[in-house]
Amino acid sequence: QVQLVQSGAEVKKPGASVKVSCKASGYTITTFYMHWLRQAPGQRLECMGIIKPGVGSTKSAQKFQGRVTMTWDTSTNTVYMDLSSLTSEDTAMYYCARARYGGNQIDYWGQGTLVTVSS
Amino acid sequence: QSALTQPRSVSGSPGQSVTISCTGTSSDVGAYNYVSWYQQHPGMAPKLMIYDVSKRPSGVPDRFSGSKSGDTASLTISGLQADDEADYYCCSYAGSDTSLFGGGTKVTVL
Repeated sequence: QVQLVQSGAEVKKPGASVKVSCKASGYTITTFYMHWLRQAPGQRLECMGIIKPGVGSTKSAQKFQGRVTMTWDTSTNTVYMDLSSLTSEDTAMYYCARARYGGNQIDYWGQGTLVTVSS
Repeated sequence: QSALTQPRSVSGSPGQSVTISCTGTSSDVGAYNYVSWYQQHPGMAPKLMIYDVSKRPSGVPDRFSGSKSGDTASLTISGLQADDEADYYCCSYAGSDTSLFGGGTKVTVL
């Protein structure tokens, strides 16, 4: 049974960084790509980037280039997303999601991690 | 790349059918048969309902169906039930490892 379990909620000050983890179970992370997405309150889902552990690469969306770092640890079957230089506009629910199907379509989602940026 | 366009809301009575449209361009929806649909109840993570335009994952009722014509994809919910009340998002592959989402449609069961 596939599960993606994310780390808990975070409260950060403007200018700080946040690191969110996503531990996969029921499969090996090198088998499929993994998306990172976010959803600000009342807003649409937004893709931040994609991790390809089996290939050894990542690709971030243009909007987040230079601010987002995506990594993985095969020993713990966990992927990570680090977002720096936070502003209030980064307050959102952050999701990891497995890309199983063609065109990187998502089948499973993590439960979400709420990141609040406030002074 | 712009996001995909969905109606903000649709509604129907129990047992009726509703259809949600998702309009993109010839570079995303029109170019690839990689359109997926997700159901999101308040406070919950999204759930996959349709992938590859019209395929249903195991466990999704056949009341949910997907289609595509040109640059517009559609999700139809037949035999509307109370539990279908949720937000629905479409997503399309747009090439170069890029995926675009729609703005979401709130389905209300009257």
